Amino acid sequence: GQQLNQSPQSMFIQEGEDVSMNCTSSSIFNTWLWYKQDPGEGPVLLIALYKAGELTSNGRLTAQFGITRKDSFLNISASIPSDVGIYFCAGHSSAGSARQLTFGSGTQLTVLP
Amino acid sequence: NAGVTQTPKFQVLKTGQSMTLQCAQDMNHEYMSWYRQDPGMGLRLIHYSVGAGITDQGEVPNGYNVSRSTTEDFPLRLLSAAPSQTSVYFCASSYAGPGNTGELFFGEGSRLTVL
Repeated sequence: GQQLNQSPQSMFIQEGEDVSMNCTSSSIFNTWLWYKQDPGEGPVLLIALYKAGELTSNGRLTAQFGITRKDSFLNISASIPSDVGIYFCAGHSSAGSARQLTFGSGTQLTVLP
Repeated sequence: NAGVTQTPKFQVLKTGQSMTLQCAQDMNHEYMSWYRQDPGMGLRLIHYSVGAGITDQGEVPNGYNVSRSTTEDFPLRLLSAAPSQTSVYFCASSYAGPGNTGELFFGEGSRLTVL
């Protein structure tokens, strides 16, 4: 089946630093999505990317859909304490019955004051 | 503003017991799914449904049953709980019509411990 490799698994950063995380896939996706999960909550969508090469920003967040359609990255600039959580990438393929999302294993982000 | 509602939030079972995790959504979404979340493994799809009366298996379906009698509800049944089913379970839904982007809306999760 489809697999997503997400890195890094965890990050400890100082408040104010920038953060970068990425996902690579063995398969092509038509959509890349980035979710954030706060402790004790379900994941919430941060950014969605729909076209190869697309670069999208949402406040301090920037994400890109790789040209090969097999990778994506998420950057967070000037981190703040509320950025703490688990970040997941997810790929969506419309091929066959694979309407479901495939998720990466997550990046646990800790922001130190 | 209910969105996706899961119950219970916490449950402890003994090996061999059965139970049902409830999921309801009020967004009229055709697509509903169940994921389990385990440390270091991300979210893995258990079962999904593209509409009332239609269900299919995901990546890790063994030990779980689902049914979809209405658009709103998608319960997940554990027939004989095993310690390997200790996990956090998330129900999610999305619009599945033309132009759907795959964006999932998640419930708050149900934490299950099997002793």
